Amino acid sequence: DGGITQSPKYLFRKEGQNVTLSCEQNLNHDAMYWYRQDPGQGLRLIYYSQIVNDFQKGDIAEGYSVSREKKESFPLTVTSAQKNPTAFYLCASSRDREKEKLFFGSGTQLSVL
Amino acid sequence: AQSVTQLDSQVPVFEEAPVELRCNYSSSVSVYLFWYVQYPNQGLQLLLKYLSGSTLVKGINGFEAEFNKSQTSFHLRKPSVHISDTAEYFCAVRKNSGYALNFGKGTSLLVTP
Repeated sequence: DGGITQSPKYLFRKEGQNVTLSCEQNLNHDAMYWYRQDPGQGLRLIYYSQIVNDFQKGDIAEGYSVSREKKESFPLTVTSAQKNPTAFYLCASSRDREKEKLFFGSGTQLSVL
Repeated sequence: AQSVTQLDSQVPVFEEAPVELRCNYSSSVSVYLFWYVQYPNQGLQLLLKYLSGSTLVKGINGFEAEFNKSQTSFHLRKPSVHISDTAEYFCAVRKNSGYALNFGKGTSLLVTP
């Protein structure tokens, strides 16, 4: 079955450490997105990518980095510069001709030790 | 920039009762509007969308929403809810010329017997 796979499901970060969240899709979608979800805050866009080797900052990109070397993969690195990284991270993808229909992964819960 | 306000953070309702989840948006340009649902520990999935045409939009699971341009609203309704409708509901907006979605903070619908 086609879909989006996020791993790991739970991740712990030590202070000063960079961690990378994985997102893989086999839907042949061109666009991929990273959202951060905090209780009572809804979803906020971190980064998105319309095509391989290209990506744009969202509303809260500071302290995060991404790469898009392959169409199927859009990993998110939470750097030590992100002072409040504890959140639920959701990856999504969409076809370029149907951008409004996002397909979401099941998320990664990141916590700080 | 466009934004979305979901007026209720929590909506408790009895099974088989009608429900309305409110959403207002602000934008100086034409927008597309969406409702997404998130079941516990899962990603989001699209319930319905308004792109153009009829202002009454029907979605999955018996939900519908009405686009009201004069009131800048896109409220979600269901005439009779089930226990299984218990979830978090997100309203989202995108500029016609834009790319990524902006989400509201979410409304938690709790259906009890």
